[in-house]
Amino acid sequence: QKEVEQDPGPLSVPEGAIVSLNCTYSNSAFQYFMWYRQYSRKGPELLMYTYSSGNKEDGRFTAQVDKSSKYISLFIRDSQPSDSATYLCAMIPDEKLTFGTGTRLTIIP
Amino acid sequence: KAGVTQTPRYLIKTRGQQVTLSCSPISGHRSVSWYQQTPGQGLQFLFEYFSETQRNKGNFPGRFSGRQFSNSRSEMNVSTLELGDSALYLCASSLAPASTDTQYFGPGTRLTVL
Repeated sequence: QKEVEQDPGPLSVPEGAIVSLNCTYSNSAFQYFMWYRQYSRKGPELLMYTYSSGNKEDGRFTAQVDKSSKYISLFIRDSQPSDSATYLCAMIPDEKLTFGTGTRLTIIP
Repeated sequence: KAGVTQTPRYLIKTRGQQVTLSCSPISGHRSVSWYQQTPGQGLQFLFEYFSETQRNKGNFPGRFSGRQFSNSRSEMNVSTLELGDSALYLCASSLAPASTDTQYFGPGTRLTVL
């Protein structure tokens, strides 16, 4: 079993919809949680970074962490075609980043 | 400020050969980490260098090695290439060690092993 599980998709939603992306993890030692966005032929870029359980908002993006369930989510409100990308969750257990496999998201105009 | 650059962007090699990939971090960044990205396994951590010292290493065989120079530029070497080494190799840089600071990724080097 992988330490971080992420549904690879693909996920297609109409423009303007709310998108929910999720990851589960098995190691309770994970402390820091991140979401990266990766466009085709580009490297990942950091979207959100959070430490504690609860919600963190940044514009149209909300990151949610539930440490008791070992579950993290990224919500995208008012989705735009420019949000079409692969979204990767990442966590730090022991000074190394561990990534999910990524979810490919397509926003349909 | 220029971002992380990686050269070459694309490489085709045959089994048994060796390859060297290069990464130039953002100016002032002292940490460089390397990752392998494949469709099946996703992004997997290879190693991190900070101030010319290997700080962390992932679970890859000894055929994968790296080094960092005094100007923070880093190289990654893969010897005796196998078909399974075909992947996108990404490097990321940060000011401080990767576990404590935001990492900025380069565009990657696409390696194809035939």
